[in-house]
Amino acid sequence: AQKITQTQPGMFVQEKEAVTLDCTYDTSDPSYGLFWYKQPSSGEMIFLIYQGSYDQQNATEGRYSLNFQKARKSANLVISASQLGDSAMYFCAMREGRGGGSQGNLIFGKGTKLSVKP
Amino acid sequence: NAGVTQTPKFQVLKTGQSMTLQCAQDMNHEYMSWYRQDPGMGLRLIHYSVGAGITDQGEVPNGYNVSRSTTEDFPLRLLSAAPSQTSVYFCASSFGAGVSTDTQYFGPGTRLTVL
Repeated sequence: AQKITQTQPGMFVQEKEAVTLDCTYDTSDPSYGLFWYKQPSSGEMIFLIYQGSYDQQNATEGRYSLNFQKARKSANLVISASQLGDSAMYFCAMREGRGGGSQGNLIFGKGTKLSVKP
Repeated sequence: NAGVTQTPKFQVLKTGQSMTLQCAQDMNHEYMSWYRQDPGMGLRLIHYSVGAGITDQGEVPNGYNVSRSTTEDFPLRLLSAAPSQTSVYFCASSFGAGVSTDTQYFGPGTRLTVL
């Protein structure tokens, strides 16, 4: 079974609008971290935002926020006021604690390609 | 402070050749890892290390070797390259040895083509 599922292979959004990229995860470890990375066409992996399993509030970093719904096991990325430079692949990833089966390694979803239209 | 560096950026090999992809970090990170990225597959873990002298296999280790003689360096060796190893390779590092809260930082990647 996939541990990280991103159901949207591709998405379009109009410039200046908000967009939500979906991510669901599967783990039985009570301690885990959820990460979002951006990969522009140049290829590098850029860390965007982190949410810990024990965090009470949703994480925010500038225009990025993470809609964390623990009971639903979802960690959706919300980008507000989209810009042309937001066009990229976005990856959701999870890292379980030491007790997790993955021994603390980062597990990635397959990504969502976001295209921002002018 | 260079972060995570990888060399080379691009490489073309013939089937059966061997080579080493270099990875270094200057952040004194304990945890280092290698991923490969193939179209539609996301990133998959090849090998990882939780500290100098300690390495272990990830999801797709076949055809690759690693060693970790220093905290800074984590080279990935292809012993006999195959076309199936054509991919983009990323090295990453983080402070903790697998702690869930530690953010992994990535190198710029190496694009490898095996003919």
